[in-house]
Amino acid sequence: GAGVSQTPSNKVTEKGKYVELRCDPISGHTALYWYRQSLGQGPEFLIYFQGTGAADDSGLPNDRFFAVRPEGSVSTLKIQRTERGDSAVYLCASSLNEQGVSPLHFGNGTRLTVT
Amino acid sequence: GDSVTQMEGPVTLSEEAFLTINCTYTATGYPSLFWYVQYPGEGLQLLLKATKADDKGSNKGFEATYRKETTSFHLEKGSVQVSDSAVYFCALERDDKIIFGKGTRLHILP
Repeated sequence: GAGVSQTPSNKVTEKGKYVELRCDPISGHTALYWYRQSLGQGPEFLIYFQGTGAADDSGLPNDRFFAVRPEGSVSTLKIQRTERGDSAVYLCASSLNEQGVSPLHFGNGTRLTVT
Repeated sequence: GDSVTQMEGPVTLSEEAFLTINCTYTATGYPSLFWYVQYPGEGLQLLLKATKADDKGSNKGFEATYRKETTSFHLEKGSVQVSDSAVYFCALERDDKIIFGKGTRLHILP
């Protein structure tokens, strides 16, 4: 079946601009995660949704970052007033999370470049 | 806070060599432990996991044993193939989220 889909695959934006990154999880997966991966680093947790609500947003670096999942399926990560340090690959993952964290299914990521 | 430390890469081996990628963790209690793999051009995917001490996870010829005495979860494979070339991430579960190590890039030469 279809996996986790992230769009766009690449995004180049100017410093100070606003960007939105989209994630379509696997159908039926109630849990959705956003991670950020910088070059040479492992994925860094940003936020986790269980259904429509953010169960844990402790990884969001500051108030320029915000994410929504209004209908419990598609999620959008929003970054305001982008900075060059925001450049990274943004990964989305979904899972069933029936008993603890079941395997995360990752998308291929959105590579964000802030110039 | 909880964290995972894994050996730095890149690791370069010849085909059919024995592989070990070291991983140690720092955590309260006994979290579930994972190895994820990222093949070129693909998304991260779960390779294997272990949920309690002394459990051995295995998949595709890879194995890792949850050692609470040494807080380790080293990844091993007896005979690697060129197709095993990828980036490998050790990880642990804490509060319904996965915490990843920095990753180890593996190159297998034919």
